Amino acid sequence: EVELLESGGDLVQPGGSLRLSCAASGFTFSRYAMSWVRQAPGKGLEWVSSVSGGSDIIDYAESVKGRFTISRDNSKNTVYLQMNTLRGDDTAVYYCTKGRQLHDSWGQGTLVTVSS
Amino acid sequence: QSVLTQPPSVSAAPGQKVTISCSGSSSNIGDNYVSWYQQVPGTAPKLVIYDNYKRPSEIPDRFSGSKSGTSATLAITGLQTGDEADYYCGTWDDSLNVAVFGGGTKLTAL
Repeated sequence: EVELLESGGDLVQPGGSLRLSCAASGFTFSRYAMSWVRQAPGKGLEWVSSVSGGSDIIDYAESVKGRFTISRDNSKNTVYLQMNTLRGDDTAVYYCTKGRQLHDSWGQGTLVTVSS
Repeated sequence: QSVLTQPPSVSAAPGQKVTISCSGSSSNIGDNYVSWYQQVPGTAPKLVIYDNYKRPSEIPDRFSGSKSGTSATLAITGLQTGDEADYYCGTWDDSLNVAVFGGGTKLTAL
């Protein structure tokens, strides 16, 4: 059974940084792309970033390009999202998903709140 | 403003059929597979349809998907109160090089 467990969400001030982690189990992690998708309070789903199994293909939403960095450690079955220069509109639940175009498994989400 | 367009809400009586539409363009739906996600409030989204019409093994056959040109449709027959949720369509956009989702549709069983 696929399990994705996010961590690292917190309350952070505008301009601050945060690193999210997602520990995966139940599948051959290195064979699959992984993504981060976020959902602002009361809003819809917004794709943030994806990384291929070998980290050779990385994509970002325009809204986070230059501020967020996705990475993965296949030896630890973990994907990360380094978030810098955080803004109020980054406030959201951040979900880790398995896949790139198709998100076939989702974690439970971790809440990031950007506020002073 | 989402790249994919969905109606904000749909409703039907229990036992009836309901459809949710998802409209896009040639660079997204027109050229890629569509998936559908169900999100019960307060929980994470769950995949219910992938590759336009395929169902994960745990999803009942009351759920079906289709695609024609630059539009896709999710259909739910024999509607149950447990189907009440927000539904999102998703795909990849080759021009923007990003994953895209619809704005979501709130399904109510009257």
